[in-house]
Amino acid sequence: SQKIEQNSEALNIQEGKTATLTCNYTNYSPAYLQWYRQDPGRGPVFLLLIRENEKEKRKERLKVTFDTTLKQSLFHITASQPADSATYLCALDIAYGQNFVFGPGTRLSVLP
Amino acid sequence: DAGVIQSPRHEVTEMGQEVTLRCKPISGHDYLFWYRQTMMRGLELLIYFNNNVPIDDSGMPEDRFSAKMPNASFSTLKIQPSEPRDSAVYFCASSQTSGSYNEQFFGPGTRLTVL
Repeated sequence: SQKIEQNSEALNIQEGKTATLTCNYTNYSPAYLQWYRQDPGRGPVFLLLIRENEKEKRKERLKVTFDTTLKQSLFHITASQPADSATYLCALDIAYGQNFVFGPGTRLSVLP
Repeated sequence: DAGVIQSPRHEVTEMGQEVTLRCKPISGHDYLFWYRQTMMRGLELLIYFNNNVPIDDSGMPEDRFSAKMPNASFSTLKIQPSEPRDSAVYFCASSQTSGSYNEQFFGPGTRLTVL
């Protein structure tokens, strides 16, 4: 069956460290993968998109990798700050640009 | 632009009542998506429109749910009759071209409670 998993439901790290979040999927072949941030009581906000032929994408302190062989994406936040605390969702394109499916999310807490 | 606008922000109703959720997408966006979010099931796509035409409604849970987009600036999601298991946060999102190629802009959501 098709499934998307994100490493842990919650992740706690110390300020200044690098946070690494994982998105694994089975029985999908996405051409694109996106990462979103969601704060409590608000809608998700787009962060990054990575295509299947791209190994890595960076934006400021954020880095995303996409390994279609492992069926995995890693999302890194370097020099993490308490303001980075939020839930992070990965989203897979499942119909070559026509439809999306979201992972369950990982709640990140950056401790001062 | 004010972003995606949803109303109401909160809705409390009793089982069996009709509920109508409203969405105004960002001007110029040609895709509109309706999602439902719960703790148990996460964020689920219910239906999406392209240029006001419904493209995929396979995520709509039952015939009690219906969605319309009469013009480029307005969409509704209706539940009739509502049931307690419909309690969730409903999000509307819009994007230009394909949502997968470009970012989706989400509204603030409508928190629905069915008693």
